[in-house]
Amino acid sequence: AQKITQTQPGMFVQEKEAVTLDCTYDTSDQSYGLFWYKQPSSGEMIFLIYQGSYDEQNATEGRYSLNFQKARKSANLVISASQLGDSAMYFCATASGGSYIPTFGRGTSLIVHP
Amino acid sequence: NAGVTQTPKFRVLKTGQSMTLLCAQDMNHEYMYWYRQDPGMGLRLIHYSVGEGTTAKGEVPDGYNVSRLKKQNFLLGLESAAPSQTSVYFCASSRTGFNSPLHFGNGTRLTVT
Repeated sequence: AQKITQTQPGMFVQEKEAVTLDCTYDTSDQSYGLFWYKQPSSGEMIFLIYQGSYDEQNATEGRYSLNFQKARKSANLVISASQLGDSAMYFCATASGGSYIPTFGRGTSLIVHP
Repeated sequence: NAGVTQTPKFRVLKTGQSMTLLCAQDMNHEYMYWYRQDPGMGLRLIHYSVGEGTTAKGEVPDGYNVSRLKKQNFLLGLESAAPSQTSVYFCASSRTGFNSPLHFGNGTRLTVT
């Protein structure tokens, strides 16, 4: 079975600063993927970034980067230069080569202050 | 290109009533999923399908049934709604399994009174 833990229910950050959202995972598979999704107050789920277990470099997508530490089983999301529009719920998820089915964490609420 | 379309967007049911949530995707994805989202619980998988004609149970399948008669459609049924099924329901699809992101519908907010 796979499991995702997001220990920060809520985070606050000042506009233009960087913020790190924590995610740890547990899987017994060697092949797996790690995903981050954003859910703004409007409710839709938006895919942000993907990291494969065999990828040697950390994934980056614009202002988003994924700090992947395989030995620690952590996949933290880093948002640089926060914007007011980044205020949202953020969900970490994993899917493995064995089960294929994505499992989600409980999410972290991020509020960006002007 | 519509992506993933869910209907309806909102619904209020009385305890014991039945309904079907419809999900359609136009991306030719093999995998489709139904999740429910409750406050503080993240997204929990109800049922999923890895291809036309196949379905499987997820983490919280009780009280729900699904069908995938056509590759592009995935239906979620509630035969006898209960207040515990008050939730936001998301349909999603993906191209393959563990290395493809999910594409979500906009969600259905269901209230059971």
